[in-house]
Amino acid sequence: DTGVSQNPRHKITKRGQNVTFRCDPISEHNRLYWYRQTLGQGPEFLTYFQNEAQLEKSRLLSDRFSAERPKGSFSTLEIQRTEQGDSAMYLCASSLLVPGAAQRTKNIQYFGAGTRLSVL
Amino acid sequence: AQTVTQSQPEMSVQEAETVTLSCTYDTSESDYYLFWYKQPPSRQMILVIRQEAYKQQNATENRFSVNFQKAAKSFSLKISDSQLGDAAMYFCAYTERFGAGTRLTVKP
Repeated sequence: DTGVSQNPRHKITKRGQNVTFRCDPISEHNRLYWYRQTLGQGPEFLTYFQNEAQLEKSRLLSDRFSAERPKGSFSTLEIQRTEQGDSAMYLCASSLLVPGAAQRTKNIQYFGAGTRLSVL
Repeated sequence: AQTVTQSQPEMSVQEAETVTLSCTYDTSESDYYLFWYKQPPSRQMILVIRQEAYKQQNATENRFSVNFQKAAKSFSLKISDSQLGDAAMYFCAYTERFGAGTRLTVKP
């Protein structure tokens, strides 16, 4: 396992269709994050998991978005009824939260290459 | 609110010269890490350097170093002996918050 893997790398879809992305984190990492990045901007936080529990969701994560991490390993991000404004790069990152170092402020995140979504 | 601000949308440096990228952040925490990430065009985001807030000594990784001013909540990245491969977007980050990025161009 050499890093965070995301599939597919590119997805083109028509407006109104549903899409699903997958993220496989670094194997021993217990935290997993999803971000959205538009061209020329920094990543915007969407949600994160600790093991299988989804601990926080950004207000950017509308009702059309849902994320799961069923067994605390890989995660999926689904967008229902896609809109043109959903076109972006979707990034996944993982980190290892060491027991006893509970601060969220000290996580080191490792990123995947992202899934670029184009909604026509 | 926790915010990260990068006020330089673009920077340019001559090959072999030194450039400094600026970042300010806001937090009420006292124990934390700060990060600089590099994102080359159409490529994966990679960690360049991190700074632990409790360490007074500024972090250094080869040609990359930081100037961390905790009281001022300032965290700048210095790239020495710039190389063509340093051309990329650079993002400053605190927890899950990222700045808007600085696009660095390296001129041969």
